[in-house]
Amino acid sequence: DGGITQSPKYLFRKEGQNVTLSCEQNLNHDAMYWYRQDPGQGLRLIYYSQIVNDFQKGDIAEGYSVSREKKESFPLTVTSAQKNPTAFYLCASSTRGGRDEQYFGPGTRLTVT
Amino acid sequence: GQSLEQPSEVTAVEGAIVQINCTYQTSGFYGLSWYQQHDGGAPTFLSYNALDGLEETGRFSSFLSRSDSYGYLLLQELQMKDSASYFCAVMANSGYALNFGKGTSLLVTP
Repeated sequence: DGGITQSPKYLFRKEGQNVTLSCEQNLNHDAMYWYRQDPGQGLRLIYYSQIVNDFQKGDIAEGYSVSREKKESFPLTVTSAQKNPTAFYLCASSTRGGRDEQYFGPGTRLTVT
Repeated sequence: GQSLEQPSEVTAVEGAIVQINCTYQTSGFYGLSWYQQHDGGAPTFLSYNALDGLEETGRFSSFLSRSDSYGYLLLQELQMKDSASYFCAVMANSGYALNFGKGTSLLVTP
């Protein structure tokens, strides 16, 4: 079955540590996205990538980094520079750009203490 | 900049009809999307309107008025499983990602 996987579902880290969230898709989609969701809030765009080896900052990129070495994979690193990293992180993909339906992974809930 | 406004909460009775409104401000508008998200789950795509008018998909319909910068999602024959958050979204200025509203939490009661 095609889809997007994110791992792990729950992640706990100590303040000051970098952590990498995994996102893999087998839908053969060119575009991939990372969003952050806080309680009672909408989704805010962190980074997006239209094609392998290329990515752009979204609205809240500070304290995050990404790579896109393979079409299927778009890992997100939450660095120690991110002031408030505790959140629900969602990865998505689409065939092209924003006009197309975005398919979301199940999310990773990160808690930093 | 871009902004989307939608009510934060709506409550309706099982079997009823509910309308969730969305007004937006954006440059370079391409279309309005709607997503559903159950608590703790992944958002799933419901509909996309690029042109004015009503699009119907089963119990769900979505409407767009480009001149009024306004759209709505209409849910008919409400079921308990429709209790979820509903987000409207427009394409970001980049042309590739989406900007989402803060979401409307729909509670369906017996």
